[in-house]
Amino acid sequence: QVTLKESGPALVKPTQTLTLTCTFSGVSLSTSGMRVSWIRQPPGKALEWLARIDWDDDKFYSTSLRTRLTISKDTSKNQVVLTMTDMDPVDTATYYCARNQPLGYFDYWGQGTLVTVSS
Amino acid sequence: DIQMTQSPSSLSASVGDRVTITCRASQSISTHLNWYQQKPGKAPKLLMYVASSLQSGVPSRFSGSGSGTDFTLTISSLQPEDFATYYCQQSYSTPFTFGQGTKLEI
Repeated sequence: QVTLKESGPALVKPTQTLTLTCTFSGVSLSTSGMRVSWIRQPPGKALEWLARIDWDDDKFYSTSLRTRLTISKDTSKNQVVLTMTDMDPVDTATYYCARNQPLGYFDYWGQGTLVTVSS
Repeated sequence: DIQMTQSPSSLSASVGDRVTITCRASQSISTHLNWYQQKPGKAPKLLMYVASSLQSGVPSRFSGSGSGTDFTLTISSLQPEDFATYYCQQSYSTPFTFGQGTKLEI
């Protein structure tokens, strides 16, 4: 059974750096073809893909956010970490991690974690 | 980036209705198009992948079609649990992109 769970701060101040962790089970990032993405959703708005990391450490980023994002993995802990610098109130959103199949669709999602950016 | 445009943005329907949601890509994406259902406060749920493949466990009243730039999601007979927001997503190339969503209301 594949499960993913996001963790991180619920509140960050403007200009701070956000660090989110996705902890998963039932799969391993050392398995060929395994990929994990981060996706966010501002309240009442659409989904936005942020970044992806692959089993071979390939990394892909959103065009508009690439300068602020870093994705990394700790295979031994079954974790994927996303950092986003220079947080702004417009970054307030629910952040999800999801398993990314080789054909690009997301078949397993975490429950999401709401991050509010406010002073 | 590939832009995804869904229509309509919202749709009112009744139980038993047949409904169709459309998704258009700004360039050809072959059949690399996926559909998700999202209910309030919940993570999205995969319904269809590569345009017309039904995800395991999803009722057969859901179907998808299309290729190139134009795609549709059809629900053949709406059930009460189908009232939700639906998103398309292209997986042809990164950065992956989603449509703006279609809210299906009673």
